Amino acid sequence: GQQLNQSPQSMFIQEGEDVSMNCTSSSIFNTWLWYKQDPGEGPVLLIALYKAGELTSNGRLTAQFGITRKDSFLNISASIPSDVGIYFCAGQVSGSQGNLIFGKGTKLSVKP
Amino acid sequence: SAVISQKPSRDICQRGTSLTIQCQVDSQVTMMFWYRQQPGQSLTLIATANQGSEATYESGFVIDKFPISRPNLTFSTLTVSNMSPEDSSIYLCSEWDITTDTQYFGPGTRLTVL
Repeated sequence: GQQLNQSPQSMFIQEGEDVSMNCTSSSIFNTWLWYKQDPGEGPVLLIALYKAGELTSNGRLTAQFGITRKDSFLNISASIPSDVGIYFCAGQVSGSQGNLIFGKGTKLSVKP
Repeated sequence: SAVISQKPSRDICQRGTSLTIQCQVDSQVTMMFWYRQQPGQSLTLIATANQGSEATYESGFVIDKFPISRPNLTFSTLTVSNMSPEDSSIYLCSEWDITTDTQYFGPGTRLTVL
């Protein structure tokens, strides 16, 4: 079946540093979504991308939808301790009526 | 964004029993889904909860094990039947906002099967 390759699997960084993570797929997706999940919580939507090449920001977060519609990256600038969590990318296949394929997640740890 | 609630938030159950999880959304949505997140893993779609008809299950998930109801547009239940320790997971419901083509998740139900 379709899979998303998300990297890195984990990151341990110093507060204030910038973070970058990405997802790639062999399949084309209509929509890319980036979520953050805190322990004991459901995933919270951070950014949604709809068009190839689209670059969208949400505060310190920036995400881009690849030109080929097969990849996306998420950047976090000037990380702070509350950025800690697991970040998931998710792709929605054309015609799938909302079914999402999730990446395996990037676990972010921030050292104060 | 959507407001989605789930009950219970967590439970510890004995092997062989069943648990029904409830999901309530705050608006009349067309699409609701149930996902499973096994410990330390990503989310996997179990099924699409269809209003007024049988749920649509993904490969590897069957109705006898995970019966789903959706009596109206804002409410759905997922039952985990004849549980075993391998069913210990977080179960999440979600709604798909057709106007923004995005999906929102509930807080999840953390299930532990002994």
